[in-house]
Amino acid sequence: GNSVTQMEGPVTLSEEAFLTINCTYTATGYPSLFWYVQYPGEGLQLLLKATKADDKGSNKGFEATYRKETTSFHLEKGSVQVSDSAVYFCALGGDDDKIIFGKGTRLHILP
Amino acid sequence: KAGVTQTPRYLIKTRGQQVTLSCSPISGHRSVSWYQQTPGQGLQFLFEYFSETQRNKGNFPGRFSGRQFSNSRSEMNVSTLELGDSALYLCASSLEGRNTGELFFGEGSRLTVL
Repeated sequence: GNSVTQMEGPVTLSEEAFLTINCTYTATGYPSLFWYVQYPGEGLQLLLKATKADDKGSNKGFEATYRKETTSFHLEKGSVQVSDSAVYFCALGGDDDKIIFGKGTRLHILP
Repeated sequence: KAGVTQTPRYLIKTRGQQVTLSCSPISGHRSVSWYQQTPGQGLQFLFEYFSETQRNKGNFPGRFSGRQFSNSRSEMNVSTLELGDSALYLCASSLEGRNTGELFFGEGSRLTVL
């Protein structure tokens, strides 16, 4: 079945550091890929998405490119802020119409 | 526009009891999905309802059930509670529920089973 694997956390960085959170997937067909973010005490919210190969999703300085050849959708940001501290979830929407999530990566940004 | 509302926010039950959780989706959204979130397993898909019909189902035992009403509000029920059912239960709504769309999540109902 479809699955999503993302890097274990927590990830701790200093403010203005470069961020990469790795995400790889296994799926049949042509899935859509998402990154969701969960700030403390809140529900998940969509950060960005890509619906076909080579698409780049971007929002709030975050980017991720749908790489079919490496089955990856890594999240990147050039300069993180303390306010980016949250849990980040990679997700996949498959041909079965289910949206499944990775286990999440907790990010701590130190001032 | 009001967001997704889940009630109750917190509840404590004992083993063997049952629980019902409620979710009111964003107005106009017809699809409601339920997820179980635990530290060890992350988010696991329970089921999805669209126009009062269960359209998709995850790999949970029959103790977990749900329904959707004509106004798109949804409830999920867990019977014969076990300690391992302690989790944050998240509801998400979307316009159509297809996998290219955006899910809008509520803040969750945190269930503790003693």
